[in-house]
Amino acid sequence: DVVMTQTPPSLSVAIGQSVSISCKSSQSLVASDKNTYLNWLLQSPGRSPKRLIYQVSKLDSGVPDRFSGSGSEKDFTLKISRVEAEDLGVYYCLQGTHLPYTFGAGTKLELK
Amino acid sequence: EVQLVESGGGLVQPGRSLKLSCAASGFTFSDYNMAWVRQAPTKGLEWVASISYGGSNTHYGDSVKGRFTISRDNAKSTLYLQMDSLRSEDTATYYCARHAYYYWGQGVMVTVSS
Repeated sequence: DVVMTQTPPSLSVAIGQSVSISCKSSQSLVASDKNTYLNWLLQSPGRSPKRLIYQVSKLDSGVPDRFSGSGSEKDFTLKISRVEAEDLGVYYCLQGTHLPYTFGAGTKLELK
Repeated sequence: EVQLVESGGGLVQPGRSLKLSCAASGFTFSDYNMAWVRQAPTKGLEWVASISYGGSNTHYGDSVKGRFTISRDNAKSTLYLQMDSLRSEDTATYYCARHAYYYWGQGVMVTVSS
């Protein structure tokens, strides 16, 4: 199975700061169709997960452009510019290239 | 509006069975692969199983392989998860999700305890 190593496990930030979260996979996530199925999701407290980014860098509808995704092959990054209070929660990466699909362990974004 | 509504959770003894359902609406259910994802209390997300849009292809996470069965009834727009030989470590909130993980249900709690 593909192991997704997500760091850091937690981040303490002030509103307006920028942060980055890393996700590294144990295998290349480039699929046979040449797409890379790496997603980023946010789970706000008490809520179901919400997908923010798919295929490494494509923002879902309604997601602010403060969020950006980058990376390739086995190394991926989620960046949040100018953190707002609504951004707090746990972020997960999810690879959808190799079955069984696997999540990173999560990064908890908290207010400083 | 896409809606996924899970049901069937509850308290069950170790070794017993439970069947979860996920009623889908707001989209053509038979056009989409579907999945179950779970989250143990205070833990992260764990991918459990997926099923192709027609139901012919299923895949499972290592921790549930051989014990859980994912299925679907496209006529009823409903996804199922049959959970057998339940263990305490299966205690979690179970979410159904439409393929590509944009749409999620609200989750249903399963507690395995004597």
